[in-house]
Amino acid sequence: DQQVKQNSPSLSVQEGRISILNCDYTNSMFDYFLWYKKYPAEGPTFLISISSIKDKNEDGRFTVFLNKSAKHLSLHIVPSQPGDSAVYFCAAKTDSWGKFQFGAGTQVVVTP
Amino acid sequence: NAGVMQNPRHLVRRRGQEARLRCSPMKGHSHVYWYRQLPEEGLKFMVYLQKENIIDESGMPKERFSAEFPKEGPSILRIQQVVRGDSAAYFCASSPLPAGGRNEQFFGPGTRLTVL
Repeated sequence: DQQVKQNSPSLSVQEGRISILNCDYTNSMFDYFLWYKKYPAEGPTFLISISSIKDKNEDGRFTVFLNKSAKHLSLHIVPSQPGDSAVYFCAAKTDSWGKFQFGAGTQVVVTP
Repeated sequence: NAGVMQNPRHLVRRRGQEARLRCSPMKGHSHVYWYRQLPEEGLKFMVYLQKENIIDESGMPKERFSAEFPKEGPSILRIQQVVRGDSAAYFCASSPLPAGGRNEQFFGPGTRLTVL
């Protein structure tokens, strides 16, 4: 039962352009969402989060948008840099429990 | 302040052997989570522990897998009689707040288990 879905396994973007990563979820009880970034042979590192009471959260080059009615969130990276090349995981949790449900990840490749 | 530490980083076992994976949470963190990542898949929740307590083990296979987080020492994920399908990367994460907290979890570098 995949409650968090990232339907694009990979994304290639030119340096300086915008990267848009998408994530859909099915559980309406989720109310806290996070994006993690993962390099090969390393653990995921926290990138940005958003609570369900907001529809946008921005941190430097990273912005997360949440559309609760569509059960959809997205991560925008502007401008994309070569160091952004990594796998990005979307994760969600309900407020009352600690475990995260993760999507399958999107491999981003930023080309010069 | 050291991050979440996991050892070993790589573990090779033959079918039928036992695998023990260790996780030391960040200093001050008393909540530990174990996740498994199979090839080409995302992270799957396995178990959530606090000191001396298992809070949620809904993601743990019913047989051969067990986890503990003793009062002293690291959290241990134990897999008995390993099979080839257990080959995966196992990640541990920790957090300072209890389950209802709106906080991120901090991940260790993972243990890559290979079963021959």
